[in-house]
Amino acid sequence: GAVVSQHPSWVICKSGTSVKIECRSLDFQATTMFWYRQFPKQSLMLMATSNEGSKATYEQGVEKDKFLINHASLTLSTLTVTSAHPEDSSFYICSARLKVPYNEQFFGPGTRLTVL
Amino acid sequence: RKEVEQDPGPFNVPEGATVAFNCTYSNSASQSFFWYRQDCRKEPKLLMSVYSSGNEDGRFTAQLNRASQYISLLIRDSKLSDSATYLCAVNMAGGGNKLTFGTGTQLKVEL
Repeated sequence: GAVVSQHPSWVICKSGTSVKIECRSLDFQATTMFWYRQFPKQSLMLMATSNEGSKATYEQGVEKDKFLINHASLTLSTLTVTSAHPEDSSFYICSARLKVPYNEQFFGPGTRLTVL
Repeated sequence: RKEVEQDPGPFNVPEGATVAFNCTYSNSASQSFFWYRQDCRKEPKLLMSVYSSGNEDGRFTAQLNRASQYISLLIRDSKLSDSATYLCAVNMAGGGNKLTFGTGTQLKVEL
């Protein structure tokens, strides 16, 4: 149980394009999902908390107009990187929270984004 | 002081060794604690939740020391396949459901 999928696995795109990443909880419902970014040899940095049916909560320094989050259902959250630039190249990972029993987070396999 | 701190390592240990990592956290009211394992270029995978009374899962033992504000992970009889980066994660008090991650401790198990 507690499987989270994420698509696509990797994306290479030109500067200025927008990229959409999907995160799905496959065998449980997740009212809360999280989006992280990880640069090489660095730790996970939380970008935003995605709440089903309401607006996402962004961490300080994360532009909400650049990183659009939609949590349309209890099993799907999407992150759209708008007008991507090379500095947005990173490993983007989502997680979904399983409330019971211990409020654990389970991660998707991640999306490696390379912006040329 | 960082909210969650770990020694980055690497810890190079021979196969069969016992190795332990600590992770300190700054907020004494933190509520939940976890150990994750992350392989190179992969996502973190939940290894263990850390309970107040400590818990054991096979070769892995996790402990929580609230007085000194740290959690530990002990790996007995290390295997080559244990080589990875081990991340601790803390649900900080007042942080809602967010987890704050340490930078990870790299373990290399060698023949």
